[in-house]
Amino acid sequence: DQQVKQNSPSLSVQEGRISILNCDYTNSMFDYFLWYKKYPAEGPTFLISISSIKDKNEDGRFTVFLNKSAKHLSLHIVPSQPGDSAVYFCAASSSGNTPLVFGKGTRLSVIA
Amino acid sequence: DVKVTQSSRYLVKRTGEKVFLECVQDMDHENMFWYRQDPGLGLRLIYFSYDVKMKEKGDIPEGYSVSREKKERFSLILESASTNQTSMYLCASSLFTEVNTEAFFGQGTRLTVV
Repeated sequence: DQQVKQNSPSLSVQEGRISILNCDYTNSMFDYFLWYKKYPAEGPTFLISISSIKDKNEDGRFTVFLNKSAKHLSLHIVPSQPGDSAVYFCAASSSGNTPLVFGKGTRLSVIA
Repeated sequence: DVKVTQSSRYLVKRTGEKVFLECVQDMDHENMFWYRQDPGLGLRLIYFSYDVKMKEKGDIPEGYSVSREKKERFSLILESASTNQTSMYLCASSLFTEVNTEAFFGQGTRLTVV
């Protein structure tokens, strides 16, 4: 049973526009959410996170929104750049030093 | 600068071979993890460790074992490699904390079993 779901395997966006990547979760014990970015043949790199006590966190061009009642989070990238083309993984964990649970990823292609 | 280093970027092994994947971190992290990444399946947790000589099974431990003799080193062992273990293997580490924090990943090892 998948606890973290990324229902869009791929997304294509024009350079300069907004990219919106979505993630849903089923485990109500999750209280910390992260986004990772992964290029081919490299390890994932941490992008941004949000605690369940917040509904928004912003870092430069990247903003994560959390809707706890809907068990949904999204990553907004504005403006999108060709270098943002990568696979984005949503991850979640619950308190108490538990491992991260990952979604299947969404491949973002930013077209110049 | 934080660093998680995996011993090999690419490995090719034969079916039935015993395979060792090594991971070292220099951040003095208590937690270490092994994931595998497969197309369409995302990152799946194989094993993790909270401390030296401690190990916990993840979601897909079958066919794997681990060793953590030193805090900075976490090894993944494929006792008898099979073709369905062809995958990208990712090691990660994080602080042991009740307040959640991010995990740091190594560059990955692409293992091909032929």
